[in-house]
Amino acid sequence: KAGVTQTPRYLIKTRGQQVTLSCSPISGHRSVSWYQQTPGQGLQFLFEYFSETQRNKGNFPGRFSGRQFSNSRSEMNVSTLELGDSALYLCASSLARQGAEQFFGPGTRLTVL
Amino acid sequence: AQSVTQLDSQVPVFEEAPVELRCNYSSSVSVYLFWYVQYPNQGLQLLLKYLSGSTLVESINGFEAEFNKSQTSFHLRKPSVHISDTAEYFCAVSDAHSGGGADGLTFGKGTHLIIQP
Repeated sequence: KAGVTQTPRYLIKTRGQQVTLSCSPISGHRSVSWYQQTPGQGLQFLFEYFSETQRNKGNFPGRFSGRQFSNSRSEMNVSTLELGDSALYLCASSLARQGAEQFFGPGTRLTVL
Repeated sequence: AQSVTQLDSQVPVFEEAPVELRCNYSSSVSVYLFWYVQYPNQGLQLLLKYLSGSTLVESINGFEAEFNKSQTSFHLRKPSVHISDTAEYFCAVSDAHSGGGADGLTFGKGTHLIIQP
């Protein structure tokens, strides 16, 4: 069974631009979560989608948004990029049962110049 | 709200020595507890988890962790480490009564385990 895939793996953008990251979950997984990982703040939960609906949301500004498609693939969008948005963005999928393991992708490394 | 504290940002250990990575959490509700490992340039992999039942949980590669409710701790241990265990280890919690689904995990800052030959 293929794991969680994320594209692109690396991305360089400049301040003020917007970016879209993509995540394909493990087949059969309907829940997709997004996390931001930075050296200073560590791993922080962005949001979770299930059946095309955002169910949980972390404490991030509205510049961070996402969506999920009917095939459970998910995209995350960041508008008006800031230097502080430079981070590793991780996507995780799960079976959406309480306590179910979240399987993480390799991440997208975003650098904002 | 929940929080996780990993008391050590770095733990250097000699190969074949025992190790303990400490994790304490704070929560007003019951929680599920997890340890994840991250190797360089990779995503996170689940090492072990505590949902209910026996407070001692084990992984397939020799790690174990014990849930201590009174001390709100979930320390990770291994009796004998190998060079291949060099990685970043993250402790995480999630709400056990959220009504189902994949809740956002609250992570600690991570502990870098450095194995010295």
